[in-house]
Amino acid sequence: QSVLTQPPSVSAAPGQKVTISCSGSSSNIGNNYVSWYQQLPGTAPKLLIYENNKRPSGIPDRFSGSKSGTSATLGITGLQTGDEADYYCGAWDSSLSALSYVFGNGTKVTVL
Amino acid sequence: QVHLVESGGGVVQPGGSLRLSCAASGFTFSSFGMHWVRQAPGKGPQWVTFIRFDGNNKFYADSVKGRFTISRDNSKNTLYLQMNSLRAEDTAVYYCTKDRAVQGAIPYYFDYWGQGALVTVSS
Repeated sequence: QSVLTQPPSVSAAPGQKVTISCSGSSSNIGNNYVSWYQQLPGTAPKLLIYENNKRPSGIPDRFSGSKSGTSATLGITGLQTGDEADYYCGAWDSSLSALSYVFGNGTKVTVL
Repeated sequence: QVHLVESGGGVVQPGGSLRLSCAASGFTFSSFGMHWVRQAPGKGPQWVTFIRFDGNNKFYADSVKGRFTISRDNSKNTLYLQMNSLRAEDTAVYYCTKDRAVQGAIPYYFDYWGQGALVTVSS
């Protein structure tokens, strides 16, 4: 069972917008940066958002991130068929005696 | 261009050992911390371990502590993961990932991932 909670799936038509929530606690999202990763079918995950809302070079501005308290949100506007993938949020967690990185359970985006 | 290539995966019996390697190129390997992240079939990623850029600090997930050892050879631009006492639940694709921070004392986040190496623990 993942420490960070995401909806299993979201869907929308091409050109529309979807949002993916990621819920955590004060030991992870509440006090650490959130990153988002996109995993296209059959490939390795890829960094999409870092430090809650920053995009690496090459990531289009259709992708956006935000954080409030112990939750974070990924937004995708102008949805394209190429956006069909699994999306994972992640953050460092300092609740245990040692440092650990936790991922969400993942959200599958389907373009209708 | 950053390139990470894992090798050494395969099938091993429960209780057995395996060593993964990750050949890095396209960046100054000795300046960045590195991680191993694994993903079991049909599951989300799970962070396994981190090693500081100079090899002087390491962190492990509780699930592998005492069984797995991360190391690096900066002269060969190579990262390693020695896995002992393997269990069925260790079956996964193991990804080598680069940390974002330059000479960071603690880990930050994963900005590049390799293509992964499949490890199957089965009798």
